[in-house]
Amino acid sequence: GQNIDQPTEMTATEGAIVQINCTYQTSGFNGLFWYQQHAGEAPTFLSYNVLDGLEEKGRFSSFLSRSKGYSYLLLKELQMKDSASYLCAVSYTDKLIFGTGTRLQVFP
Amino acid sequence: DAGVIQSPRHEVTEMGQEVTLRCKPISGHDYLFWYRQTMMRGLELLIYFNNNVPIDDSGMPEDRFSAKMPNASFSTLKIQPSEPRDSAVYFCASSRTGIGASGTYEQYFGPGTRLTVT
Repeated sequence: GQNIDQPTEMTATEGAIVQINCTYQTSGFNGLFWYQQHAGEAPTFLSYNVLDGLEEKGRFSSFLSRSKGYSYLLLKELQMKDSASYLCAVSYTDKLIFGTGTRLQVFP
Repeated sequence: DAGVIQSPRHEVTEMGQEVTLRCKPISGHDYLFWYRQTMMRGLELLIYFNNNVPIDDSGMPEDRFSAKMPNASFSTLKIQPSEPRDSAVYFCASSRTGIGASGTYEQYFGPGTRLTVT
């Protein structure tokens, strides 16, 4: 199966750090993607993990543990513009299976 | 580059009517994906093409849905007849290579078509 679970909503304060978790159960797992989607807009690519460990990209980092079926997206120095939905997606052959997304609201 | 282009951006139609959504992928991208997004079910893959050939249509909800890619720069998703439960945002995305292949693996999404069936 391809159950992908992530929290529905999270809130945080500007300048803070937030961690969005994602767990998955999938066979034929290739890698894990994180996408950002602002309200009314298309998803945009944030990161891709295929090996265990942490990938850092500026204020955003993504972690993967293949054995545990677990990933997280870490957002540092939160800004108001980071208010968006964050979609975890698991790649299976050439397909992406998306979770339902975590809606993050950043407050001043 | 213009990015992935979709038309129309908004479509309102009555139940029973035929709906055709259009997509122009990024030039040079070999893969094209059609997704549907709703609040309840999130972003779901409907079908994807590689070099204009449909590879996996297991996500197509039922026979009312069909997709074609007659050439590398154009794809359509057709719903006939449409029903209110088809109301959703339909995204088209393209990528240069398949996931897991060396090189670019990112999918680029178009702006979406918001479909409302009354």
